[in-house]
Amino acid sequence: GAVVSQHPSRVICKSGTSVKIECRSLDFQATTMFWYRQFPKQSLMLMATSNEGSKATYEQGVEKDKFLINHASLTLSTLTVTSAHPEDSSFYICSARVPGQGNSPLHFGNGTRLTVT
Amino acid sequence: GNSVTQMEGPVTLSEEAFLTINCTYTATGYPSLFWYVQYPGEGLQLLLKATKADDKGSNKGFEATYRKETTSFHLEKGSVQVSDSAVYFCALSDRGGSQGNLIFGKGTKLSVKP
Repeated sequence: GAVVSQHPSRVICKSGTSVKIECRSLDFQATTMFWYRQFPKQSLMLMATSNEGSKATYEQGVEKDKFLINHASLTLSTLTVTSAHPEDSSFYICSARVPGQGNSPLHFGNGTRLTVT
Repeated sequence: GNSVTQMEGPVTLSEEAFLTINCTYTATGYPSLFWYVQYPGEGLQLLLKATKADDKGSNKGFEATYRKETTSFHLEKGSVQVSDSAVYFCALSDRGGSQGNLIFGKGTKLSVKP
């Protein structure tokens, strides 16, 4: 089945630094990937839709200058949390849908636990 | 707007007990409905889905029926196992096509004791 790989699984960084999270589709090409954020005991919230070769579409309330998304190839999207602060500590998950499968389910990465100290 | 509401956990059951996790939704049109499962330390995996009213999704002994009249998609399993311990998310897809995304409930943590 379709596999989405996310790296790293955990990262701890100091306040003010930037962190890059990678999301790869391993056995299919994904023109679109989705980035979610999950707070403790809360639902997954869609942050942005990453489009290969064009700008990402951000959901309302998500700072595009803080959460930089680059979808440079059909198999890789990256999320960079710039100038991270403790309130950015969260669980970030990417997902993708196999092209041509319409409203089919998304395939999720294993997530990245970000802790900002 | 569209939303998903599911019962709050945690839910603790003994092995072989009957499981129900309630999920209701609010949506315009005819969304597709999903249950995803997140095992400890892992990402979300699709458990089952239903794309139209009265459809029943089933997988690994779990079932859920798309009830448009009650806007519900409750998850059930007749006999849970320790290996079913995980967080379960109900979700709906509110946009069709390749740009579709999911709206999730808050998740329900299930712990099954031997």
